[in-house]
Formats: sequence, structure tokens, C-alpha cells
Amino acid sequence: KAGVTQTPRYLIKTRGQQVTLSCSPISGHRSVSWYQQTPGQGLQFLFEYFSETQRNKGNFPGRFSGRQFSNSRSEMNVSTLELGDSALYLCASSARLAGRSGETQYFGPGTRLLVL
Amino acid sequence: DAKTTQPNSMESNEEEPVHLPCNHSTISGTDYIHWYRQLPSQGPEYVIHGLTSNVNNRMASLAIAEDRKSSTLILHRATLRDAAVYYCILKAGANNLFFGTGTRLTVIP
Repeated sequence: KAGVTQTPRYLIKTRGQQVTLSCSPISGHRSVSWYQQTPGQGLQFLFEYFSETQRNKGNFPGRFSGRQFSNSRSEMNVSTLELGDSALYLCASSARLAGRSGETQYFGPGTRLLVL
Repeated sequence: DAKTTQPNSMESNEEEPVHLPCNHSTISGTDYIHWYRQLPSQGPEYVIHGLTSNVNNRMASLAIAEDRKSSTLILHRATLRDAAVYYCILKAGANNLFFGTGTRLTVIP
């Protein structure tokens, strides 16, 4: 099976712009989660989508949004970019919503966003 | 999610066993212990998870203390490809993983 793919891999934007990142989960996986990784804050959970519905949300401002399509592919959008949004954005897929043990998550390589 | 405490860094010689500790004194009865690792320039990778009993898989072993307040990830023979940041995470359902600072493992040839 192909792994989680993310596009684009690298992106440069300027402050005030908006950006859309794409994630294709492993075939058959229905849950997609997004994370932000920065040197200062480490890896932080953004949100999770399952069956086109947001199921969990981290502590990020409303400028960060996402959606999931019927084929489980997901996009996240960041509007009005700030310098602090420069980060590695990681997507992870799981087969299901987590049961008691928590589903194993499979991560993509990430999209590195630089905001100038 | 309950917090975990890990050493910032550890070193190991190649082909020797590595024991990566994790303290989780506030773990609840429903929390599973998960380990992920992140190799340089890659996304995190699942390693192993367990609840109460010790667990083994092809990558590693997980030893869980009887009171579940600590656990140890064991790599039986460290290789250069095992150099990574290892994260110990407590999960009680939900797919939102809380990553702490992890342990950076350096493998010395």
C-alpha cells in the first residue's frame, strides 16, 4: 500500500496570504489528523477528520481550518499567514476513529511552510 | 492527556541494547502507553504500544512497570538507523496524540 502523501512538500508564502495543504491518506483509512511541528512548540495536534466531519480540535486559532472529502483526502487551510505559522505540517491517517487503545497513526513526510 | 517525562537525550553504541525510560506517574487506568519515533527529516513512525503487560514486536519491546507509573522502550540492538527522537505518549482513545519533547537517541558507530 502507498503511504500517506502530502503536497506540496515545500512552500514559501508571505505574511497575510493564505495557504492550502493537501493530504492523501493510506487507501482504506478514513481518519485524517493534522499536526504542526515547530522548534519551539514541538508537535501539536491541530484537528482530526473522519467521514468528512471534524471530530477533534486542538488549541489553534480559527485561521486554521480543514476539511475532508468523500474519498477521505483532506486539506487544511491557513488564512492571514503570520511569521509564526512557519512550520512543518504533518498529516496522519488511521483506519478508524480511535477505540480504547487509540489507533495507530501513519504519518506523511510533511509540508514545510516558510512565511516571510 | 496525562503527561510523560523523558530524558532529553541518550547515547548508545551501535549493536548494543538501548533502554529508553518514560515516567507517567499520573497515568489513569484507561491510558495506553504508545511510543513513536521521528527520524531526521521524516514524519513520526509508530513503534509499539501496551496497556499492562510487556509487549514485543519486530521493532522493539515495551516493558511496563507493575504500577504502570513508568515504562521502558527497549531496542535490542541499536543500529545507526535507530537514531531518532523517541516519544512516549499516553492515549485513552481519540486520535489526537500529545507529543512531549521526547528523547533524542544518538547511536555511536
